[in-house]
Amino acid sequence: GAGVSQSPSNKVTEKGKDVELRCDPISGHTALYWYRQRLGQGLEFLIYFQGNSAPDKSGLPSDRFSAERTGESVSTLTIQRTQQEDSAVYLCASSLAHTGGNYGYTFGSGTRLTVV
Amino acid sequence: KQEVTQIPAALSVPEGENLVLNCSFTDSAIYNLQWFRQDPGKGLTSLLLIQSSQREQTSGRLNASLDKSSGRSTLYIAASQPGDSATYLCAVRPADTGRRALTFGSGTRLQVQP
Repeated sequence: GAGVSQSPSNKVTEKGKDVELRCDPISGHTALYWYRQRLGQGLEFLIYFQGNSAPDKSGLPSDRFSAERTGESVSTLTIQRTQQEDSAVYLCASSLAHTGGNYGYTFGSGTRLTVV
Repeated sequence: KQEVTQIPAALSVPEGENLVLNCSFTDSAIYNLQWFRQDPGKGLTSLLLIQSSQREQTSGRLNASLDKSSGRSTLYIAASQPGDSATYLCAVRPADTGRRALTFGSGTRLQVQP
C-alpha cells in the first residue's frame, strides 16, 4: 500500500479481555516495528521484525504481550488480560532494511487503546 | 544504552519567528537521525533523515544539522507559521546491526501564535 495502515484506529476494551492490533506495512518493507506511547510520554520500543522473525523483542513489557508477522507483511500485536496501564497509542512503523540499515521509518496513524 | 534528550520541552513563539530545536544523544555510533512531527492524536510524520555521513538536510523551511561526534542535532524552522504547531521528535538509529530500533527523545511541543 501507499502507507502504513493500522487497525482499528480506536479500541475500548474491558480490563481482563484480550485485544489484537493489526499493522499493514508498506509493500516491500522488510522491517517492521511496534512502539507504544502513553499519554503525555515519549515513544517506547516494543518489538522489531526483520522479515517474519523478531531479532529484538526486548521492549515487550510482560509475557502478556506477543506479536507475530506472517508473509513478510501483516503483523499483529496481541495483549492478553489487558490492564489499565496498557492504555496507550500503539504505533507501527516499517522501513526498508538491509545490512547497511540506513533507511528511514514510515509510521502508521496508530491504534488508541483504552482499557476500562 | 542510548539516551536522546530534546530541549526545550515546550516552546511558544509568535508567527514569523525563526527557531531552533535541539536534540542530543549519548552514543555517537548511529546510522542515521530522523526528525518527526506529531500532531495531537495522530501518528508521526517524517520530516528529515540525516545519514551518519551527512552534516545537514534541507526541506523547504526546515533545515536539520548533525554533529555526530558531539552527539548533537538541531532542527531549524524558518519563518514559523501557526500550521507548524505540533510536537517535534528526534530519533536515532543505532549502528549495531543486531538492534535496529530507533531511540526517541521526549519531543519539543511547539506552539506558533498567529
